[in-house]
Amino acid sequence: GAVVSQHPSRVICKSGTSVKIECRSLDFQATTMFWYRQFPKQSLMLMATSNEGSKATYEQGVEKDKFLINHASLTLSTLTVTSAHPEDSSFYICSVHRGPGQGPNIQYFGAGTRLSVL
Amino acid sequence: GNSVTQMEGPVTLSEEAFLTINCTYTATGYPSLFWYVQYPGEGLQLLLKATKADDKGSNKGFEATYRKETTSFHLEKGSVQVSDSAVYFCALSGDTDKLIFGTGTRLQVFP
Repeated sequence: GAVVSQHPSRVICKSGTSVKIECRSLDFQATTMFWYRQFPKQSLMLMATSNEGSKATYEQGVEKDKFLINHASLTLSTLTVTSAHPEDSSFYICSVHRGPGQGPNIQYFGAGTRLSVL
Repeated sequence: GNSVTQMEGPVTLSEEAFLTINCTYTATGYPSLFWYVQYPGEGLQLLLKATKADDKGSNKGFEATYRKETTSFHLEKGSVQVSDSAVYFCALSGDTDKLIFGTGTRLQVFP
């Protein structure tokens, strides 16, 4: 069964609105979650690393005020795209990483969220 | 810095043909290497991995060997099926838990 639940799978919104994407770890506690962005026919680009109970670490060039990340519990991280614009339209994917001592050092990915901003 | 280079696609094959998708990497230290597969409209799924030199990862008929001397992790399958049509990503993980992905290779298998 699914290890990671990502919701919603697709969202269409008007320019200027904010959109929240949820990423849930279903099978284990995830001290670290990652958020990626994927443009059509391109690879995944890491946006930020979400750490439970602390501020997210953003990759160079990613606006932290634009992409708000909250990792409030060991099983939930949220990504909020604030004041979305058409150029924010993309496929957003989260992944979860097991905490120390919880098993293999691999990431499990959500099914992704396709955001379309009109 | 660390990086992954994989062959551009699309790769178009007939069913039961042999598949090779090349992947080479640049990294300091001893990274772990992965192949992920992305089916249309879905997120990524781990296909196989190798954590040290000469390890062979295998799953669903796919395999890849961690070659430190050539810094490669080529993906192979002896007989592809239409259901293998997807995008395949090579990735590495170094000292941190971050994954660095290649650009992906689209595989199209026709009956």
